[in-house]
Amino acid sequence: EVQLVESGGGLVQPGGSLRLSCAASGFTFSSYGMNWVRQAPGKGLEWVSYIGTTTSTIYYADSVKGRFTISRDNAKNSLYLQMNSLRADDTAVYYCARDWIGHCSGGSCYSGFDFWGQGTPVTVSS
Amino acid sequence: DIQMTQSPSSLSVSVGDRVTITCRASQSISRYLSWYQQKPGKAPKLLIYAASSLQSGVPSRFSGSGSGTDFTLTISSLQPEDFATYYCQQSYSALLYTFGQGTKLEIK
Repeated sequence: EVQLVESGGGLVQPGGSLRLSCAASGFTFSSYGMNWVRQAPGKGLEWVSYIGTTTSTIYYADSVKGRFTISRDNAKNSLYLQMNSLRADDTAVYYCARDWIGHCSGGSCYSGFDFWGQGTPVTVSS
Repeated sequence: DIQMTQSPSSLSVSVGDRVTITCRASQSISRYLSWYQQKPGKAPKLLIYAASSLQSGVPSRFSGSGSGTDFTLTISSLQPEDFATYYCQQSYSALLYTFGQGTKLEIK
C-alpha cells in the first residue's frame, strides 16, 4: 500500500525556518518525481515545488522561490522541504504528493498527483 | 505563467443531477489537465488525468473532456458522496504546475 506521511509542521515566528519531511512507503520512491502542495486556511490548492527522480530537476512556485528548498533522500525514501524566511502568508497545510505518469503517447506523457499525504499544518505567527 | 480559471466557483445541486464544471487555461495546454476532488479535512484525490482518462477506481459517472484551453468535468448523476470541492490542474508547464481556484458543490 502506498503511503506518504508528512511531519515537521508547527508554529513558527515570521522570519523563522522549518523543515518538513515526507516519508514514503509501498512503492519504489526513487522512480517517481515528487511535489509539495499547500492549502491556506479556507483557500484553494497551491503547487509549491517539484523534484525529479534525481536532484537535477527542481522547480518552485514564484511565491517561494529563493526561500524554500526541496530535496530528497532516495536511500531513506524521504522528501523534504526546507522553508526559510517564513511569512504569514506561508501559513497552510502542506501536502506531499507523488507525480505519476499515467500514460505516454506520441511523445507526450500525461501525469497527475496520484497519491497524497495527510498534510502537516504550518502556522507562521508572532 | 499559465492561469487556470474554473467556473462556477460554487454550485447548488441535488442528488441525481448532471453536473458540469468548466476549466479554462490562459494558453493552450493540449491535454495536460487533471481533475481532483477534495472533501473537508482530507487530501485531494485524483479523478481524471490527460483531460479525459479516468483514474483507476474512480466511478464511471465522472468524465472529462476538452483540449487546448477549454475543459469540462462532468458528473453524470450526482451521488451524496460527491459533494466536495473540485480542482483542475495543468501539467503542461512542469516549471509551474497551477491549480484552478476550485468549484464547491453544495446541497440545494
